[in-house]
Amino acid sequence: QSVLTQPPSVSAAPGQKVTISCSGSDSNTGNNYVSWYQQLPGTAPKLLIYEDDKRPAGIPDRFSGSKSGTSATLGITGLQTGDEADYYCGTWESSLSAEVFGGGTKLTVL
Amino acid sequence: QLQLQESGPGLVKPSETLSLTCTVSGGSISSSDYYWGWICQAPGKGLEWIASIHYSGRTYYNPSLKSRVTISIDTSKNQFSLTLSSVTAADTAVYYCGRRASGRNWFDPWGQGTLVTVSS
Repeated sequence: QSVLTQPPSVSAAPGQKVTISCSGSDSNTGNNYVSWYQQLPGTAPKLLIYEDDKRPAGIPDRFSGSKSGTSATLGITGLQTGDEADYYCGTWESSLSAEVFGGGTKLTVL
Repeated sequence: QLQLQESGPGLVKPSETLSLTCTVSGGSISSSDYYWGWICQAPGKGLEWIASIHYSGRTYYNPSLKSRVTISIDTSKNQFSLTLSSVTAADTAVYYCGRRASGRNWFDPWGQGTLVTVSS
């Protein structure tokens, strides 16, 4: 069972918007940066959002990140079929001095 | 640009030791700004962090795996390595290596991953 809680799946139609939540606690998301990763089928994870809300070069602005308290959110607008993937949040767990990831959310673009 | 590539046996017998190496190209592993880590993903499961190391030798381990894991770094070869002892079928996974920004909680880039199967 993951320290960070994500919904197992979300779905939306092409062109629509979806949000994925990542819920933690004071010892992880509440006091440490959150990052988000996209894992397309059969590929390695790719950094999508870092330091809560920053996008690496080359990541479209359709992807956004935010955090409030101990919960972080990944938003994706203008959904495309190519966005179908698993999405993971990650952060540092201060009480364990360890990296932790959420259980992952499978996005289906209907 | 920076690239990471995992290498090692794809098949390991139960109770034996899994050994993997990550070769870094396009940049130096001896940067004070980064750690280097291993993450695994069992078939159909999520990501699990295993360990991270700084070129200075400082290490962090997943508490649930610490007793079986050793991470090491060879700056002369621009490589870092993972050993996992006493493996079982539960250790069957894709193993990724990645660069982790120091104090910043993100991994980028990642290697392509290597599948290790534990089976007799």
